[in-house]
Amino acid sequence: GAGVSQTPSNKVTEKGKYVELRCDPISGHTALYWYRQSLGQGPEFLIYFQGTGAADDSGLPNDRFFAVRPEGSVSTLKIQRTERGDSAVYLCASSLRGGRNSPLHFGNGTRLTVT
Amino acid sequence: GENVEQHPSTLSVQEGDSAVIKCTYSDSASNYFPWYKQELGKRPQLIIDIRSNVGEKKDQRIAVTLNKTAKHFSLHITETQPEDSAVYFCAASSSAGNMLTFGGGTRLMVKP
Repeated sequence: GAGVSQTPSNKVTEKGKYVELRCDPISGHTALYWYRQSLGQGPEFLIYFQGTGAADDSGLPNDRFFAVRPEGSVSTLKIQRTERGDSAVYLCASSLRGGRNSPLHFGNGTRLTVT
Repeated sequence: GENVEQHPSTLSVQEGDSAVIKCTYSDSASNYFPWYKQELGKRPQLIIDIRSNVGEKKDQRIAVTLNKTAKHFSLHITETQPEDSAVYFCAASSSAGNMLTFGGGTRLMVKP
């Protein structure tokens, strides 16, 4: 079946602009996660949704970052006033229920470049 | 919070040899330890995982061991093949929501 889908695959934006990154999880998966991966490093946790609500947003670096999942399926990660340091691959993952018995399935990511 | 250290950062082996990657974690409450393989420009893919009630798990050429007392776990790949070349990440989770903390990755190169 279809895996986790992320759009766009690449996004180039100028410093100071606003961007939205979209994640379409595997159908029926209630848990959705956003991670950020810088070059040569492991993915870094940003935020976790269980259904429509953000169950843990402790990984968001500052208030320029925000994410929503209004209908418990598609999620959008929003970054305001982008900075060059925001350049990274943003990965989305979903799992059936959350919890350790539900492995995470990752999308291909969105490569964000802030010039 | 959880901290995961991974070694080595790069590993080069001859085809057919074994490869071992080691990780340590800091949170004694961590109870789930997956391993992901990431090829260049692609998504991380789960290759094997282990839970804290088990000391070892094997799947064909891949095995993972867990030492809860020492807080470390390892990935073992036997009879390596060129297609095993990739970056491997270990991770640990102690939360009900299964948020993973990842290690820094190991670039494995298998020479034909």
